[in-house]
Amino acid sequence: AQSVTQLGSHVSVSEGALVLLRCNYSSSVPPYLFWYVQYPNQGLQLLLKYTTGATLVKGINGFEAEFKKSETSFHLTKPSAHMSDAAEYFCAVSETDSWGKLQFGAGTQVVVTP
Amino acid sequence: DGGITQSPKYLFRKEGQNVTLSCEQNLNHDAMYWYRQDPGQGLRLIYYSQIVNDFQKGDIAEGYSVSREKKESFPLTVTSAQKNPTAFYLCASSIGSFTGELFFGEGSRLTVL
Repeated sequence: AQSVTQLGSHVSVSEGALVLLRCNYSSSVPPYLFWYVQYPNQGLQLLLKYTTGATLVKGINGFEAEFKKSETSFHLTKPSAHMSDAAEYFCAVSETDSWGKLQFGAGTQVVVTP
Repeated sequence: DGGITQSPKYLFRKEGQNVTLSCEQNLNHDAMYWYRQDPGQGLRLIYYSQIVNDFQKGDIAEGYSVSREKKESFPLTVTSAQKNPTAFYLCASSIGSFTGELFFGEGSRLTVL
């Protein structure tokens, strides 16, 4: 069975600093990988996804992630944090035959300090 | 605008009562899903439906029931058999392909008093 591990339940970054959120997965087959963002009391919004092709994926709001098969990782980065990036971030994985059934990580809460 | 509408946003219920959460989408998506969110646990799949009149159990289906009589609608009933129903419930939909991109509603927060 596949699983997703997000390292760090809370991350605090200074405004303008690098944002790095770590995600590792376990899967017996090459998966599809996703990052979602959730603002308080709202649903989730897709930031970016990897399915096939280029392993460096660019998403919305200046975020990007790199799929590293050898490390089974899909870490999310943003070069310069903005106050509006304060939210909870979820990494998710689906196997290629699971048709939208995602396995989510526990989430990482990002706090941005002035 | 197309999207997913969940109602009610907040719901309180007494122990022993069933409650139904509504989920409607106008995205013309084939597949719909219900997830439960608890602090520090991410999202867990309750039920999903890939086509009308068909649905499958997810990882935590016990104490829940669903129906899919229309493509646009996928209501979730939290029954009295659910031991710990207080949670944030999220409905989602997708076009029904292997890319798995989900579109989420804004959620319903259920509190059992």
